[in-house]
Amino acid sequence: KAGVTQTPRYLIKTRGQQVTLSCSPISGHRSVSWYQQTPGQGLQFLFEYFSETQRNKGNFPGRFSGRQFSNSRSEMNVSTLELGDSALYLCASRISSGANVLTFGAGSRLTVL
Amino acid sequence: SQQGEEDPQALSIQEGENATMNCSYKTSINNLQWYRQNSGRGLVHLILIRSNEREKHSGRLRVTLDTSKKSSSLLITASRAADTASYFCAEDTSYGKLTFGQGTILTVHP
Repeated sequence: KAGVTQTPRYLIKTRGQQVTLSCSPISGHRSVSWYQQTPGQGLQFLFEYFSETQRNKGNFPGRFSGRQFSNSRSEMNVSTLELGDSALYLCASRISSGANVLTFGAGSRLTVL
Repeated sequence: SQQGEEDPQALSIQEGENATMNCSYKTSINNLQWYRQNSGRGLVHLILIRSNEREKHSGRLRVTLDTSKKSSSLLITASRAADTASYFCAEDTSYGKLTFGQGTILTVHP
């Protein structure tokens, strides 16, 4: 069974631009969550989607947004990029019932210049 | 920050030795989980211990949980070079959201 797929794996943007990252969860997994990982702040929860609805949101500014499609695929968008947005963005999926065990993708590494 | 703390921040050992990592957390948990991350990659789930459990084993892994002290430890026995990675504990408190510790970087020398 295919794992969680994130695209693109690497990207470079400049300040002020916007970026969209994509995540395809494991087949049958209906919950998708996103995390930001930086050396300074560690792993920070961004948001979680289930059945196209955002169920939980972390403490990030409104420039960070996401959505989930009917096939459970998810995208996150960051607008007006800042240097501090440089990070590894990790997507994770889970079935939705039972314990909150996440299966992570390999991540999208964003560099903002 | 809502994140718990892990110690040590870095641990360097020889193959065959045991590695122990500790985690303190801040909230009331449903369960506590441990994940491994190889350099710059995604996280891999290792083991989950429920709030009403005190100890759990999985292969070479042993996890303990003390809810009165809000702490957990992960023991890796007979370490291998392939165990070199960062290890994170994660508090499970609500939908899809795990609160991760800062992690322990483990280096196992052949």
